[in-house]
Amino acid sequence: EIVLTQSPATLSVSPGDRVTLSCRASQSVGSDLAWYQQKPGQAPRLLISGASTRATGIPGRFSGSGSGTGFTLTITSLQSEDSAVYYCQQYYDWPPRYTFGQGTKLEI
Amino acid sequence: QLQLQESGPGLVKPSETLSLTCTVSDGSLTDTYYWGWIRQSPGKGLEWIGIISHTGATYYNPSLQTRLSMFMDMSKNQFSLTLDSLTAADTAIYYCGRRVNYFDHWGQGTLVTVSS
Repeated sequence: EIVLTQSPATLSVSPGDRVTLSCRASQSVGSDLAWYQQKPGQAPRLLISGASTRATGIPGRFSGSGSGTGFTLTITSLQSEDSAVYYCQQYYDWPPRYTFGQGTKLEI
Repeated sequence: QLQLQESGPGLVKPSETLSLTCTVSDGSLTDTYYWGWIRQSPGKGLEWIGIISHTGATYYNPSLQTRLSMFMDMSKNQFSLTLDSLTAADTAIYYCGRRVNYFDHWGQGTLVTVSS
């Protein structure tokens, strides 16, 4: 099983700041990595797929990068509405053995 | 806009079987996607359960496959899961979603509590 480790666990920032969240894989997943945003009481929402492709309707403030075992999600010009937990997910294996990171809680 | 909605019992007794259904609106299960289930519990975070294709092909999480079945009802535009021999560890919010490798559409989730 591919283990995804996210850091930091919690991050407190101010509006207007820029943040970078990290996701490390226990083995290479190529670019088969997605990022999700989850707000309290809501389902996760797809932000990024293919490590760097923004999903439909996602603002340009959100960007993803990386490949292999190291990935980052960068959010610029932070807004209060960006307060959420952010998860990474790998979909490299076939047959599928999808796994998620444990999440990074972003507090603004 | 594609919508998914989970339905099922909120409370199930230990050792019993859980049955959940996901109803798809403004989309069709005959589309060439996989459809899947993910659950979220405080202790284990997000856990992929399994996926099913429009042809009925299934792939399950190895940790659950001995207790899990998934199937589709095209006439109702629904897909479902059954999970046997429940324990407290199966208590979670269960989400259904559309899989395009990643999951691009999610239902709102349904809380399932396993307790006597």
